[in-house]
Amino acid sequence: GQNIDQPTEMTATEGAIVQINCTYQTSGFNGLFWYQQHAGEAPTFLSYNVLDGLEEKGRFSSFLSRSKGYSYLLLKELQMKDSASYLCAVRDNYNTDKLIFGTGTRLQVFP
Amino acid sequence: DAGVIQSPRHEVTEMGQEVTLRCKPISGHDYLFWYRQTMMRGLELLIYFNNNVPIDDSGMPEDRFSAKMPNASFSTLKIQPSEPRDSAVYFCASSLRGRGRNEKLFFGSGTQLSVL
Repeated sequence: GQNIDQPTEMTATEGAIVQINCTYQTSGFNGLFWYQQHAGEAPTFLSYNVLDGLEEKGRFSSFLSRSKGYSYLLLKELQMKDSASYLCAVRDNYNTDKLIFGTGTRLQVFP
Repeated sequence: DAGVIQSPRHEVTEMGQEVTLRCKPISGHDYLFWYRQTMMRGLELLIYFNNNVPIDDSGMPEDRFSAKMPNASFSTLKIQPSEPRDSAVYFCASSLRGRGRNEKLFFGSGTQLSVL
């Protein structure tokens, strides 16, 4: 089976740092993605991890531990425009192209 | 590039009516995915195509749902007959197979479907 868990909601203050966690249990693993989705809009790609460790891209970083089935998305220097849902998605088998999404974490940034 | 184009943006229909959602993927992309998004279940994969061929339709809820991709630039998702529980946002996404397997999905703006 496949299971991806994320917190439903989080809040943070402008300028702060927030970490959004994702745990997964899948029959196999070949990559983890983070997508950002603003209310009423389509998801857009943020990051990709396939090896253990931290991938940094500007204010956003994503971390992966395959042995623990765990990832997090780190957002630094939060801005109001970062208020959105953050979706964790896993490709569970090298031979398929399916991307399985978690239900997402809704982040609200307050001034 | 115009991105993935979906139509209509909004659809309101009555229970029992046929609904057809349309998608034009990004030119040159070889994968096309149909997702459904609800508050309770998040983004669910319904079906996907590779080079216009349906590969996996295990996510299609039931026989009322069907999808086609007659050519590389067009796909449809049809619901017949529609039911209130089909109300959701339906996203189409496309991607291009890459060597690193890190190909990202490009989503359309979605179709907000309301079945009354």
